[in-house]
Amino acid sequence: DTGVSQDPRHKITKRGQNVTFRCDPISEHNRLYWYRQTLGQGPEFLTYFQNEAQLEKSRLLSDRFSAERPKGSFSTLEIQRTEQGDSAMYLCASSLATDTDTQYFGPGTRLTVL
Amino acid sequence: GDSVTQMEGPVTLSEEAFLTINCTYTATGYPSLFWYVQYPGEGLQLLLKATKADDKGSNKGFEATYRKETTSFHLEKGSVQVSDSAVYFCALSDRGTGNQFYFGTGTSLTVIP
Repeated sequence: DTGVSQDPRHKITKRGQNVTFRCDPISEHNRLYWYRQTLGQGPEFLTYFQNEAQLEKSRLLSDRFSAERPKGSFSTLEIQRTEQGDSAMYLCASSLATDTDTQYFGPGTRLTVL
Repeated sequence: GDSVTQMEGPVTLSEEAFLTINCTYTATGYPSLFWYVQYPGEGLQLLLKATKADDKGSNKGFEATYRKETTSFHLEKGSVQVSDSAVYFCALSDRGTGNQFYFGTGTSLTVIP
C-alpha cells in the first residue's frame, strides 16, 4: 500500500508527558499537512510543509507543538507537556505542490491524555 | 475568514431514499470545494470536488454543484445504499490562504435496509 501512513495509531499518555507522532506521506508528494480533529468536529489545519520547509502554522499550534520534516520525506509532530485538551485525532495529509487541491489523508493518530 | 457550515446530523435514511446534505461556505478568495467521506474506522477519503463556479463534481452516484450565487455545495445522491453509511465532510481550499483546508463539522449518515 502506497498511501499515507501514520504511527502510532493510538497513544495514551499522562498529562505533562511529551509525545511524538510520525507521518509518512505518499512518496512523490512534496507537500505534507497536519490537522487536528476533535470529537464531533471537522479537521482543523495545524501546519504544512513543502519539502523540508515549514511554510505556514495555524495559531492553534501553540509553543508546546513542534513539527519537523528534516529530509522532505517523513514528518514528526511533537507535543510537549501534554494537556487534557490535546486529546484528539491528529491527521496527516500529503499532496503534490502542483495539485494541492487533492490531499490524501492518513488514518490518523488518536491521542488520549489522562 | 474562511469557513464551512454544513447540515447537522445525524441523518437516518432507508435504503434507496434520496439524500441531500447541505453545505454553505464563506471564502475571501477563489475556493475549490470538496466533499470528503469517512467510513467507520478509516481515514478521510476524497469523494468529489469542484474547482470553479457552476462545476459539478460527481463520484459513486454522489453529486454536488458549485453555486457561487448561493455560496453552496450541497451533496446529493438519488438512491442511497447501506454501504453509504459514513460521516460526510464538506471542505474548501482557498488559494488566497495557502491552500489549507477548512472543514465543516461533518454529517453522520446511517442507511437502514
